[in-house]
Amino acid sequence: EAGVVQSPRYKIIEKKQPVAFWCNPISGHNTLYWYLQNLGQGPELLIRYENEEAVDDSQLPKDRFSAERLKGVDSTLKIQPAELGDSAVYLCASSRGNSEGEGQFFGPGTRLTVL
Amino acid sequence: AQTVTQSQPEMSVQEAETVTLSCTYDTSESDYYLFWYKQPPSRQMILVIRQEAYKQQNATENRFSVNFQKAAKSFSLKISDSQLGDAAMYFCAYRSSARWTSYDKVIFGPGTSLSVIP
Repeated sequence: EAGVVQSPRYKIIEKKQPVAFWCNPISGHNTLYWYLQNLGQGPELLIRYENEEAVDDSQLPKDRFSAERLKGVDSTLKIQPAELGDSAVYLCASSRGNSEGEGQFFGPGTRLTVL
Repeated sequence: AQTVTQSQPEMSVQEAETVTLSCTYDTSESDYYLFWYKQPPSRQMILVIRQEAYKQQNATENRFSVNFQKAAKSFSLKISDSQLGDAAMYFCAYRSSARWTSYDKVIFGPGTSLSVIP
């Protein structure tokens, strides 16, 4: 079984430029999460999808961040324009979304550096 | 709102020895799940062990076991016979099981960096 796939793995951009990250969850996982992880800290949720619906985007800075999950499978997270403080690792995770407490499966992350 | 605290930013252990990582959490819910995740340097995060709050028996996965104290809201991870490959950041996480509270939300602690000394 393929794991959670993310691309690109690394991205370096100038501030004020746009950037996009892509995630393909594990097949059959209807819940998809985007997290931001700063160095030495735990992941912080940006947005959570149940199928194609964003059910929790309260921590997403909507003035510059946007996300979509068309057809309830893969997802794209975009930042426009990027700021220096956006430098971090962006993690995607997926789960079956039931109440069994299975836990989440994480992708390798995209390390973003904003210069 | 739920919170998760890991009071040990860094820990070290001699190879083959045992180490315990601490985690405490705050919640008003009675049913929930607790997890320990491992994140090796520059590698992806993986689930180490999970505990269901309604089960009194502590979870065990090979060399990894937990000490779950529900009344004290404590969830520590014990690693026995530590190996070099255990060196990583370890994150404690909480997840509600109540559907009407967006149960699929997971809250992570700040992490503990574990070093294994040869």
